[in-house]
Amino acid sequence: DTAVSQTPKYLVTQMGNDKSIKCEQNLGHDTMYWYKQDSKKFLKIMFSYNNKELIINETVPNRFSPKSPDKAHLNLHINSLELGDSAVYFCASSPRLAPSEYNEQFFGPGTRLTVL
Amino acid sequence: GESVGLHLPTLSVQEGDNSIINCAYSNSASDYFIWYKQESGKGPQFIIDIRSNMDKRQGQRVTVLLNKTVKHLSLQIAATQPGDSAVYFCAETRGSNFGNEKLTFGTGTRLTIIP
Repeated sequence: DTAVSQTPKYLVTQMGNDKSIKCEQNLGHDTMYWYKQDSKKFLKIMFSYNNKELIINETVPNRFSPKSPDKAHLNLHINSLELGDSAVYFCASSPRLAPSEYNEQFFGPGTRLTVL
Repeated sequence: GESVGLHLPTLSVQEGDNSIINCAYSNSASDYFIWYKQESGKGPQFIIDIRSNMDKRQGQRVTVLLNKTVKHLSLQIAATQPGDSAVYFCAETRGSNFGNEKLTFGTGTRLTIIP
């Protein structure tokens, strides 16, 4: 009965590789997000999607390509991984756009990506 | 640029005592604020929120105070318990009708409850 799930939980890979992280939510929400949390715990939004449509792209390098096959899934593909991509990536979802009361964002457990 | 920040990166509190976590923000257009709790190995979890037309809101053992004059937000946790040990984030956003609003998170404060 997990609300927002991500796979894998841990990902260790070499520089230059391409990898994907998958996210699924079973809450029936319209909006999904990807956040990046660095080693200092700073959390920053990368992308948001609403009903499969890209809404926010926070000047993320184009090596990062989100894909939303349906509104319950938002995957993140990363090309040519770099050392600086090492971080914890969180997927989240909310009923609709625009953070506000009764529109809480629910976060997944995170994917810890380590680039060697 | 606009930012949301915290005064104290770490805080240790004796179990049973009250704790206060502070947050400063600089975007005067921010009108909605949230506190999140992040336990080790987990994603952030919503605790309590407050709209800018309020200066105080209470939940179960938690109270959020908002001082718009000095752009300051605080989270008070009463009668702390070991399960309160976590990193706490404030987040802010500015309301608009365009749907491209985002949450901007502060740097986080690690709260440790001492048994």
